[in-house]
Amino acid sequence: KNQVEQSPQSLIILEGKNCTLQCNYTVSPFSNLRWYKQDTGRGPVSLTIMTFSENTKSNGRYTATLDADTKQSSLHITASQLSDSASYICVVTSYNNNDMRFGAGTRLTVKP
Amino acid sequence: GAGVSQSPSNKVTEKGKDVELRCDPISGHTALYWYRQSLGQGLEFLIYFQGNSAPDKSGLPSDRFSAERTGGSVSTLTIQRTQQEDSAVYLCASSWTESSYEQYFGPGTRLTVT
Repeated sequence: KNQVEQSPQSLIILEGKNCTLQCNYTVSPFSNLRWYKQDTGRGPVSLTIMTFSENTKSNGRYTATLDADTKQSSLHITASQLSDSASYICVVTSYNNNDMRFGAGTRLTVKP
Repeated sequence: GAGVSQSPSNKVTEKGKDVELRCDPISGHTALYWYRQSLGQGLEFLIYFQGNSAPDKSGLPSDRFSAERTGGSVSTLTIQRTQQEDSAVYLCASSWTESSYEQYFGPGTRLTVT
């Protein structure tokens, strides 16, 4: 079982709508959690990073939350744009040798 | 089966020297990524190869960095005229296709520039 589970696997929304992506993890001991955006044919780009003491982090229309107690994170996208169509990847890093665990990602499609 | 392999596992070099880091992706994986992880920093994307397409080089920090992927398999990351700030762990990852988010990472090469 993957130590980082993302849901949904894919999502289609209309332009202008909001959406929330989920990431649950079992990685321990926890160091940090990152959300990446990966456009098709491009490398992943970091959106946010949160450590244990942070429970929310914003980057423009992207807002990530972290509940370290329940080991859950979410990425909320506000007023979606066509350019938000991409894969969103949750990566959790452990203090054990900085071991990184990637979620399988959520593929978001924003339609006009 | 064999996973992603990288060599060398550790490299110590003097400032100003050139270094080459090698990555052997999982057989059949068409997508290959290079990342850098500096001490106390997170994952930094460097370059991405997908099949025969032109690589995405948007993450390369300077023109001292370059990478090649020969025959759609093995990749070499070259750093010319190394600087101390280049010291980091360089990670390579591969995936089945560009749309496969599951990336399989190699063990990394720890580069130390003295």
